[in-house]
Amino acid sequence: AQSVTQLDSHVSVSEGTPVLLRCNYSSSYSPSLFWYVQHPNKGLQLLLKYTSAATLVKGINGFEAEFKKSETSFHLTKPSAHMSDAAEYFCVVSDRDSGGGADGLTFGKGTHLIIQP
Amino acid sequence: DGGITQSPKYLFRKEGQNVTLSCEQNLNHDAMYWYRQDPGQGLRLIYYSQIVNDFQKGDIAEGYSVSREKKESFPLTVTSAQKNPTAFYLCASRPGLGLWEAFFGQGTRLTVV
Repeated sequence: AQSVTQLDSHVSVSEGTPVLLRCNYSSSYSPSLFWYVQHPNKGLQLLLKYTSAATLVKGINGFEAEFKKSETSFHLTKPSAHMSDAAEYFCVVSDRDSGGGADGLTFGKGTHLIIQP
Repeated sequence: DGGITQSPKYLFRKEGQNVTLSCEQNLNHDAMYWYRQDPGQGLRLIYYSQIVNDFQKGDIAEGYSVSREKKESFPLTVTSAQKNPTAFYLCASRPGLGLWEAFFGQGTRLTVV
C-alpha cells in the first residue's frame, strides 16, 4: 500500500523569500513521485516528476524537489516566491506495481500556499 | 493540441435530476479517472477505467455512474441518488497504470439549485 502525507495544510511566505512545501510518502516498491499545482477553479498542472533518474528534479516556474529515499521525502522548494505562486499544491505517488486492480495514484491532501506582498 | 477537455465548465442542476459531465481526451491514453474535489478535502476518486468497456469504482462511487464505450471518452453521470453533488469535478487520464503522471482537464463546477 502507498500513502502520501503533506505536512502543512497552509504555508505563508513573503514575496521574494524561499518556499518549502513538505511531502512524505510510503510505498512498497520503487515509486514515481509528482508535484502538481492548482489555481482556483482550474485543473491540476504538473510541476515536476521523479521517476528514478536524478534525485534532484527541476520543474517549471523555478520549482525543484529532491527525492530522499532514506527519509521517504519529496519536498518542493523554490528560492524566491512570486505572487503568482499562490495556489494549492498536491504531492502524488504512483507505485510501479499498482496494476493489480488499483488505480495506482495516491494524492496528498494539498498545501495552500499564500504569498504575502 | 493534445489534451483533456471537460464540458461544461459550470453546470447547474435541480434537485432530483440526473446530469452528465463530459470528458474527452486526444492523448491516446488507456486510463481515465474522475475525481471529486470539495473545499479543504483534496481529491477523492469516484471511478476509473483502465481500458475501453471496463471501469472500477473508486472511494466514493455511490450516486455516480460512468461508461467507457470509446477510448477517448469517459462521461460521468451524477444521479439523483447522490445526496450532496455540489462540488468541483476533475477528469484525468494517463497512458496506463504504474509510473505515469496524470493529465487533468480544467474541471466542471456542479451546483445543485
